[in-house]
Amino acid sequence: RKEVEQDPGPFNVPEGATVAFNCTYSNSASQSFFWYRQDCRKEPKLLMSVYSSGNEDGRFTAQLNRASQYISLLIRDSKLSDSATYLCVVKSTGRRALTFGSGTRLQVQP
Amino acid sequence: SQTIHQWPATLVQPVGSPLSLECTVEGTSNPNLYWYRQAAGRGLQLLFYSVGIGQISSEVPQNLSASRPQDRQFILSSKKLLLSDSGFYLCAWSGGVNTEAFFGQGTRLTVV
Repeated sequence: RKEVEQDPGPFNVPEGATVAFNCTYSNSASQSFFWYRQDCRKEPKLLMSVYSSGNEDGRFTAQLNRASQYISLLIRDSKLSDSATYLCVVKSTGRRALTFGSGTRLQVQP
Repeated sequence: SQTIHQWPATLVQPVGSPLSLECTVEGTSNPNLYWYRQAAGRGLQLLFYSVGIGQISSEVPQNLSASRPQDRQFILSSKKLLLSDSGFYLCAWSGGVNTEAFFGQGTRLTVV
């Protein structure tokens, strides 16, 4: 079983739609959680950290459910420029580096 | 502000040739440094990490090695490349154990 699992998609949504991605992690000792965005053939870039109480940054909302060991990302009012792969990332006790999911691809269509 | 530089951006190398990819970080001291590889359509695989000069930990056995000759310099090397070494190599830094990581632009390596 992968340490961080994501639905690979692709999610094809029209502009203005709301889309949600989920991610599950297997290590209950995980401590820090992030969402990264990766454009085609580019490096991953930090989108937002995920806090226990949930957090929002503009059109993006991240939630963490420690009991069920899943993380979600909600994007409201999708823009064409949101088209990218979204990576769920976890930092676990005993690991010296971040563990990345394989990513969920989003394609926003006009 | 901190920046990370990685070069070259693309590289085509024949099987059996050596490899040296360099990464430098500016604007911070004693960063944690990482080398990841991303195969086409796949997730990021951690190759090496370093918490200080000369301190390298390898995550997976492979045909590659890493060195950290200076605090903000991280080098990925190979003596003889294999076809399976092709991929997108990413250098990253973080300021702490549980903090986010920031990536260089990556090197797309094709071994032919």
